[in-house]
Amino acid sequence: AQTVTQSQPEMSVQEAETVTLSCTYDTSESDYYLFWYKQPPSRQMILVIRQEAYKQQNATENRFSVNFQKAAKSFSLKISDSQLGDAAMYFCAYCKRVGSEKLVFGKGTKLTVNP
Amino acid sequence: GAGVSQSPRYKVAKRGQDVALRCDPISGHVSLFWYQQALGQGPEFLTYFQNEAQLDKSGLPSDRFFAERPEGSVSTLKIQRTQQEDSAVYLCASGKGWGRARNEQFFGPGTRLTVL
Repeated sequence: AQTVTQSQPEMSVQEAETVTLSCTYDTSESDYYLFWYKQPPSRQMILVIRQEAYKQQNATENRFSVNFQKAAKSFSLKISDSQLGDAAMYFCAYCKRVGSEKLVFGKGTKLTVNP
Repeated sequence: GAGVSQSPRYKVAKRGQDVALRCDPISGHVSLFWYQQALGQGPEFLTYFQNEAQLDKSGLPSDRFFAERPEGSVSTLKIQRTQQEDSAVYLCASGKGWGRARNEQFFGPGTRLTVL
């Protein structure tokens, strides 16, 4: 079974600084997707960024980028120029490319942004 | 509507009562998922539909949990004889189910169920 581990229950960052959230996963599949979701206190989960395992290039979405290390099964999220609105729970998630489309989530990292 | 909607947003039930939670997916989305999120935890998969077909129900914790999507659009998650351990936020997500973004899921706001 696939598992996703987020080893940092909480992180904090100063506004305008950079922070990196860690995620590791375990799978025997070779083709899959990885995601970072953001869940603000209002609870609605929002997709931040996605990475396809067959692509070597790291995904980037504006201030958000990932460091995908397939051999190490590591998928970290870097948030640059942190803003107060970035404060939320961040969940790393895994999905097989073929077969069951369910997401397997980590336990989350609570990010606090200090003004 | 523009996004996934869920109702009710909050539900309080007495232990032993039956509850029904509704999900309206994004129009045209083929895939629909239910997840259970306990306090302070990540969401855990319950079940998955492609159109009206329930393709995976491996995450349903007991036979008290039942989900349906009879016309391939709206879905209902029903919990019979609720127990205190059923207290959680129930999230619904939908996805296109095809194309490059087939695995992207769009989440609703959730229903917070409290069983007394």
